[in-house]
Amino acid sequence: QVQLQQSGPGLVKPSETLSLTCTVSGGSFSAYYWTWIRQPAGKALEWIGRIYNDGSTDYNPSLQSRVTMSVETSKNQFSLKLNSVTAADTAVYYCATVTTSSTGNWFDPWGQGTLVTVSS
Amino acid sequence: DIQMTQSPSSLSASVGDRVTITCRASLSISKNLNWYQQKAGKAPKVLIYAASSLQSGVPSRFSGSGSGTDFTLTISSLQAEDFATYYCQQSYNIPYTFGQGTKLEIK
Repeated sequence: QVQLQQSGPGLVKPSETLSLTCTVSGGSFSAYYWTWIRQPAGKALEWIGRIYNDGSTDYNPSLQSRVTMSVETSKNQFSLKLNSVTAADTAVYYCATVTTSSTGNWFDPWGQGTLVTVSS
Repeated sequence: DIQMTQSPSSLSASVGDRVTITCRASLSISKNLNWYQQKAGKAPKVLIYAASSLQSGVPSRFSGSGSGTDFTLTISSLQAEDFATYYCQQSYNIPYTFGQGTKLEIK
């Protein structure tokens, strides 16, 4: 059973780069693709983007100019970088597995979430 | 972007009640609609995928229906552990988008 463990700093200064990593265990890394989602306090979920095992990506246009996702297959890890952060980027960030079938795709399972606060 | 609108935004109900939450897409998304449950301080968990398929391990009191632009999540008999926030999400187009959530509270 696939499990995701997130790591990365919980505090980032304004204008700097937010960096998070998700480590996958318990399943075949190459069998899935991966996504990042965030949730400001008390607000709805926002999809950030997805990455395939070959490194190809799709980003939310609202964040595309600031987002970079990468994958390190040898370590069963994928990562998120968001540059030039402001207070508006303060949120809980989640990584998740994109499960696919002939009828669609959905996010399951999820990482535990990382609260990232942007503050000096 | 496809806009997902849930109603109601909040709902008070009692254990044993039948509850229905609706989700409307701003354009047709076929059956590419998923439902998630989120409890306070926890990551969301998928309940229903592809509009009506029950995720493995999810109790059968949860069901989903709909296609095109209108979808529903029904809980046939509320249990204490069902009080949470529920989100719909479309997987038809990039960027994937979520509804604003429906908070289900104890009456």
